[in-house]
Amino acid sequence: DTGVSQDPRHKITKRGQNVTFRCDPISEHNRLYWYRQTLGQGPEFLTYFQNEAQLEKSRLLSDRFSAERPKGSFSTLEIQRTEQGDSAMYLCASSLERGQFFGPGTRLTVL
Amino acid sequence: GDSVTQMEGPVTLSEEAFLTINCTYTATGYPSLFWYVQYPGEGLQLLLKATKADDKGSNKGFEATYRKETTSFHLEKGSVQVSDSAVYFCALSSRGGATNKLIFGTGTLLAVQP
Repeated sequence: DTGVSQDPRHKITKRGQNVTFRCDPISEHNRLYWYRQTLGQGPEFLTYFQNEAQLEKSRLLSDRFSAERPKGSFSTLEIQRTEQGDSAMYLCASSLERGQFFGPGTRLTVL
Repeated sequence: GDSVTQMEGPVTLSEEAFLTINCTYTATGYPSLFWYVQYPGEGLQLLLKATKADDKGSNKGFEATYRKETTSFHLEKGSVQVSDSAVYFCALSSRGGATNKLIFGTGTLLAVQP
């Protein structure tokens, strides 16, 4: 399967813990995006990488959030000191030009 | 800022009925427009897209036409099937921006009954 993959698919954590998610984009895609989707809403943009450079971050991305794409391939999204409000589906997408391809998402539940 | 407005769901139809899901947008310039579909338990899938005015995107029997004069991109299908039951998201990507990030509507749940 050559689509976008994300790991883990589900994560349950306690408030205050740190969590890290991984995204592996489609191999030839140089653009990578992270979005967050809460129940009943459309995805909201968090951050964007072109190759290894992080070129845009949403105001939704507080200081507790950090994302990396060290070699321009896979990406990680870390949330420090998780809060209950961080519970959501975290989506990764990749593209060459317009039209992004999404992974299955990581569902985070913060207890 | 840029935004997308979709008709609220759920939309409940009988099999073989005609489907319309309304979508309008607000954007500076001329964005690219998309419909994504999310089947139960699955990730978002690109259904169709249109990149300029009067373009028609089509896929799997679904169509949508980019209408600049009414800032709309309504999704239509002539005869729905039970397998079309899903959440449908309208989205735009602004031209001129470096990121091509997507701005989504809130989604419309379609339930097709046999």
